[in-house]
Amino acid sequence: DTGVSQNPRHKITKRGQNVTFRCDPISEHNRLYWYRQTLGQGPEFLTYFQNEAQLEKSRLLSDRFSAERPKGSFSTLEIQRTEQGDSAMYLCASSSGRKLFFGSGTQLSVL
Amino acid sequence: GQQVMQIPQYQHVQEGEDFTTYCNSSTTLSNIQWYKQRPGGHPVFLIQLVKSGEVKKQKRLTFQFGEAKKNSSLHITATQTTDVGTYFCAGPEGSSNTGKLIFGQGTTLQVKP
Repeated sequence: DTGVSQNPRHKITKRGQNVTFRCDPISEHNRLYWYRQTLGQGPEFLTYFQNEAQLEKSRLLSDRFSAERPKGSFSTLEIQRTEQGDSAMYLCASSSGRKLFFGSGTQLSVL
Repeated sequence: GQQVMQIPQYQHVQEGEDFTTYCNSSTTLSNIQWYKQRPGGHPVFLIQLVKSGEVKKQKRLTFQFGEAKKNSSLHITATQTTDVGTYFCAGPEGSSNTGKLIFGQGTTLQVKP
């Protein structure tokens, strides 16, 4: 399968803990995006990489969130000191043009 | 800020009935994309419209882009149970060509067999 891969699929954590998610994009795609989706809403942009460079970060993203894409391949999204409001589906997408290919997402539940 | 709005939020139809969802942007869009998300799944790209007044068809699905490039619609003829899911429209933020999209809140379609 050469689609976008995300793991873990589900993560349950306690408030205050740190969590890290991984995304493996389609190999020939140079653009990688992180989106967040809550129930009943559309995906909301978090951040974007062109190769290894993080080119844009949403103003809505607090300093507790950090993303990396070393060597322009896979990416990680870390949330420090999680809060209940961080509970959501975290979607990764990659593209080589305008069309986005989404992964299956990581569902985060903060208790 | 830039907003993309969709109506209705939910639609329940009997199998075989038609379905339409409408998308409106607060700004003129260079293009608009439509995605489908099945229950428990992730968004999957359906189509992109670029030209003013453009109409594209995919089997029973008809997509339109408004003349002013601020609105769009998706019409499904003779719905089937396989059409169940949430349909999102999305447009680029500003004049961005980075692929960063602003999504509508989606229209969830339920089809009764």
